Amino acid sequence: EVQLVESGGGLVQPGGSLRLSCAASGFTFSSYAMHWVRQAPGRGLEYVSAISSNGGSTYYANSVKGRFTISRDNSKNTLYLQMGSLRAEDMAVYYCARERGGHYYDRWGQGTLVTVSS
Amino acid sequence: QSALTQPPSASGSPGQSVTISCTGTSSDVGGYNYVSWYQQHPGKAPKLMIYEVSKRPSGVPDRFSGSKSGNTASLTVSGLQAEDEADYYCDSYAGSNNYVFGTGTKVTVL
Repeated sequence: EVQLVESGGGLVQPGGSLRLSCAASGFTFSSYAMHWVRQAPGRGLEYVSAISSNGGSTYYANSVKGRFTISRDNSKNTLYLQMGSLRAEDMAVYYCARERGGHYYDRWGQGTLVTVSS
Repeated sequence: QSALTQPPSASGSPGQSVTISCTGTSSDVGGYNYVSWYQQHPGKAPKLMIYEVSKRPSGVPDRFSGSKSGNTASLTVSGLQAEDEADYYCDSYAGSNNYVFGTGTKVTVL
């Protein structure tokens, strides 16, 4: 069974840093591009970042460019999101999602909540 | 990249049909056949319902269908059931590894 399990969320002060992880199982992780998508409380979904299957290419939404870094360790079947210079508007549930070739997400994790507050 | 425009809400009685629109531009919805739709129940992760405009993943009832005309995509839920009450989001590829979601539509089963 395909599973994506996020972890690492929590309370962080404005300007602080946090690293999210997404542990994948049940599929060949190294064969798929992976994404982070977030959802602020009571708001819609927002694309955050993506990484190619081999980690050689990374992409970011303008809202996080220069502050967040996406990476992956295919030997550990794990996706990461290093978040820095966090702002109140970064507060959200962060989901990892598996991308299919037709540019859609066929599997999602359960999400991890990031709270940015002093 | 601006979010795709969806109506905030839609509703229908059990057994009826409801159609949700998703309006973008020629740079996203109109430019690619890579529109997908996701269902999200409160407190849950999104679930893929439609991909590549009109394809349905295995396990998704055929009551769900998708289409596209110009810069507007649509999701139709036929034969509404109580469990269809949820938020629905469209998503489109926008080129150069950019993706844009819709604003979301809350579907209520009356």
